[in-house]
Amino acid sequence: SSELTQDPAVSVALGQTVRITCQGDSIRTYSASWYQQKPGQAPVLVIFAKNNRASGIPDRFSGSSSGKTASLTITGAQAEDEADYYCDSRDTSDNRLHVFGTGTKVTVL
Amino acid sequence: EEQLVESGGDLVQPGGSLRLSCEASGFSFSTSAMNWVRQAPGKGLQWISYITGSGTTIFYADSVKGRFTISRDNARQSLYLEMNSLGAEDTAVYYCARDRGFCSDGSCSSYFDLWGQGTLVTVSS
Repeated sequence: SSELTQDPAVSVALGQTVRITCQGDSIRTYSASWYQQKPGQAPVLVIFAKNNRASGIPDRFSGSSSGKTASLTITGAQAEDEADYYCDSRDTSDNRLHVFGTGTKVTVL
Repeated sequence: EEQLVESGGDLVQPGGSLRLSCEASGFSFSTSAMNWVRQAPGKGLQWISYITGSGTTIFYADSVKGRFTISRDNARQSLYLEMNSLGAEDTAVYYCARDRGFCSDGSCSSYFDLWGQGTLVTVSS
């Protein structure tokens, strides 16, 4: 299996910009997707295929990728953006399988 | 409205078995590949299994291969996960999720665009 590494936690002041990163060899080949999960709720798709916003997701969310790092950027963070965020890509040892990142807790101050 | 509703989660003893169900509505289930994803208490997401719309292609994570079986009944719009030889490490909320494929930058992959609310499986004596 392969790993996708994320910072465990980041904080951002209300209205400011925060970038969440996801590092792993599979990112070089397979575009990442991003999910938001609030406490007690199911994950919600935020970004798919590297930089496409899912339906209903505000345009303050954007995705990008360079080399082995995928990024999710929240420009003008809102209180409701406080959540856990997970990236997802393919397993480099068996690309039929998915692997999730370790997750990042975003706190909006 | 597109919806996935899981059921079947329960408290089960170590070594026991359990069958989870996921009922789909509001979309073409038979043409949709599906997945099971789980989340242990306080932990991150773990993908565990995939099945194509026809049911002919199936994949498993190494952690469940040989113990779990994914299946579907398109006539009933339902996805299933048969779990055997359960251990404490299988304690988790289990989500079903719809799969959407895409191709980008010369490679193809997929993402999960619709999730159920999850069902809790607790393995304990």
